[in-house]
Amino acid sequence: NAGVMQNPRHLVRRRGQEARLRCSPMKGHSHVYWYRQLPEEGLKFMVYLQKENIIDESGMPKERFSAEFPKEGPSILRIQQVVRGDSAAYFCASSQTGKGGYTFGSGTRLTVV
Amino acid sequence: RKEVEQDPGPFNVPEGATVAFNCTYSNSASQSFFWYRQDCRKEPKLLMSVYSSGNEDGRFTAQLNRASQYISLLIRDSKLSDSATYLCVAHNNNDMRFGAGTRLTVKP
Repeated sequence: NAGVMQNPRHLVRRRGQEARLRCSPMKGHSHVYWYRQLPEEGLKFMVYLQKENIIDESGMPKERFSAEFPKEGPSILRIQQVVRGDSAAYFCASSQTGKGGYTFGSGTRLTVV
Repeated sequence: RKEVEQDPGPFNVPEGATVAFNCTYSNSASQSFFWYRQDCRKEPKLLMSVYSSGNEDGRFTAQLNRASQYISLLIRDSKLSDSATYLCVAHNNNDMRFGAGTRLTVKP
């Protein structure tokens, strides 16, 4: 079992570009969660998805950010028109039951220059 | 008010010491609780679940007090390899909410 796979590990974007972060959950897991971690800060919940559905997006910024988890393929976190403040580590986690004890991927470190 | 609050530390302790971390949560509807460990620039990893009856895993003991909405982690006989940030987590219906973490450094 390859675990939760995130790519890319590191992503550099210029201000105004788009960033796409991908997450493949563990085999058999249908619940996916995205978290953001700023330097020296804790994990902030962004969005919770199940296959083809957004369950809770209360942590997503209202503009520029979107997430999907299609029937086939990985979950995608998309950030449009990136700004320097978007620079952070973005972690994806998956769960089989949605009841906690998530497994995290290694994260994508986004740097906006 | 943050949903999960922790003392950020840092806690600097010698090898062999006993150290305790505390955490409070604000959502009384939270259903389950966990401690995660995060090493520098790595992903969080599940350390242990937390139950009202208390649970122990080797040198680690976790405790939950629902009435006070309080969670604790005790580490006995600290090792150098215990140096990390410890994250307190409360799970509600949809997702887990993380504390900002408590940093522990164990020194020789």
